[in-house]
Amino acid sequence: DTAVSQTPKYLVTQMGNDKSIKCEQNLGHDTMYWYKQDSKKFLKIMFSYNNKELIINETVPNRFSPKSPDKAHLNLHINSLELGDSAVYFCASSQGEGGYEQYFGPGTRLTVT
Amino acid sequence: GDSVTQMEGPVTLSEEAFLTINCTYTATGYPSLFWYVQYPGEGLQLLLKATKADDKGSNKGFEATYRKETTSFHLEKGSVQVSDSAVYFCALMGGSNYKLTFGKGTLLTVNP
Repeated sequence: DTAVSQTPKYLVTQMGNDKSIKCEQNLGHDTMYWYKQDSKKFLKIMFSYNNKELIINETVPNRFSPKSPDKAHLNLHINSLELGDSAVYFCASSQGEGGYEQYFGPGTRLTVT
Repeated sequence: GDSVTQMEGPVTLSEEAFLTINCTYTATGYPSLFWYVQYPGEGLQLLLKATKADDKGSNKGFEATYRKETTSFHLEKGSVQVSDSAVYFCALMGGSNYKLTFGKGTLLTVNP
């Protein structure tokens, strides 16, 4: 009965590869997010979708492309991976766009070698 | 733009000690304020929140009061336990946008 799940939990890949991280929530929430946590634990939002529509798109390289096939899923595809992409990526969801609590997934640790 | 500044730590305490983690913010409008906790190897969990001035959020013995005059939301606990060891993040959600802006996190270690 996991609320927000991500796959894979760990991802090790080489520079230049393309990879995807999947996120699913079973909370019936309308809004989903992707965050990046760097090696110093700093968290920064990357994208937010509400009802499958992009509502927040921070300054992120266009090698990163989110895709939301339905309200319960928000996947993150990364092209031409670089060393600096190594981080922990967290998916989150919330009931709506306002000051609602965001529920976070367990994270995906991406290591680019 | 919106920003959150919190004491970076690390903070090391003995069990039953008093905890304060300072957090101040800069935002336009009237943001909502949050404390999230990240236990080792896990995602973030909401610890407490406050949505307007003078509100006090509380949970699991932790408290924080939304102080508009000092733009602060300091986290306190009267008696910490070893199980409180984690990284604590202060965050705000602006009144005009819906993204969470996080502080840099404070690592708390509680020794028996």
